[in-house]
Amino acid sequence: EAGVAQSPRYKIIEKRQSVAFWCNPISGHATLYWYQQILGQGPKLLIQFQNNGVVDDSQLPKDRFSAERLKGVDSTLKIQPAKLEDSAVYLCASSPGSGNQPQHFGDGTRLSIL
Amino acid sequence: GESVGLHLPTLSVQEGDNSIINCAYSNSASDYFIWYKQESGKGPQFIIDIRSNMDKRQGQRVTVLLNKTVKHLSLQIAATQPGDSAVYFCAEKRYNQGGKLIFGQGTELSVKP
Repeated sequence: EAGVAQSPRYKIIEKRQSVAFWCNPISGHATLYWYQQILGQGPKLLIQFQNNGVVDDSQLPKDRFSAERLKGVDSTLKIQPAKLEDSAVYLCASSPGSGNQPQHFGDGTRLSIL
Repeated sequence: GESVGLHLPTLSVQEGDNSIINCAYSNSASDYFIWYKQESGKGPQFIIDIRSNMDKRQGQRVTVLLNKTVKHLSLQIAATQPGDSAVYFCAEKRYNQGGKLIFGQGTELSVKP
């Protein structure tokens, strides 16, 4: 079974620029999550999708972050404009549903803001 | 505030010894817990999970213990190997926060050959 795929693996941009990350979840997984992991900390949920609908985006900074999962499979997360404090690893995870099931993570995109 | 936290930020063990990584949680509404292993440059990897109606669950070389009375979770790794060196996170599913998975800060396990 193929795991969660993310791209790019690394991205370096200047502050105030925009950036986008892509995620392809495990086939058949209805629930998709985006997390932000700052160095030395555990992942923090940004947004959760169930198929193509948003379940929880309470911790997404909506003035600069946006995410979509239009066809209920792949997802993109965008930051516009980026701030220095956005430097982090952005992880995508998926699970078959939203119940008591483990989430499976991709290897993330490491974002550096100059 | 409520949090999932780890007692020790770092743990160093000798190869072949058993490792115990601890985690405290404060949300009594949580009923599902997961341990993840994260190696440098990689995403968290699922190790084992446990539901609150259980107090122990075993996997291959790993055991998770749950003490709901004192809100404590532990991960035991038997015969620790160099490949076990990583950061270990516990995570809890908080149903009073929409089923959000909350991660602790992590414990770095270092295995000495």
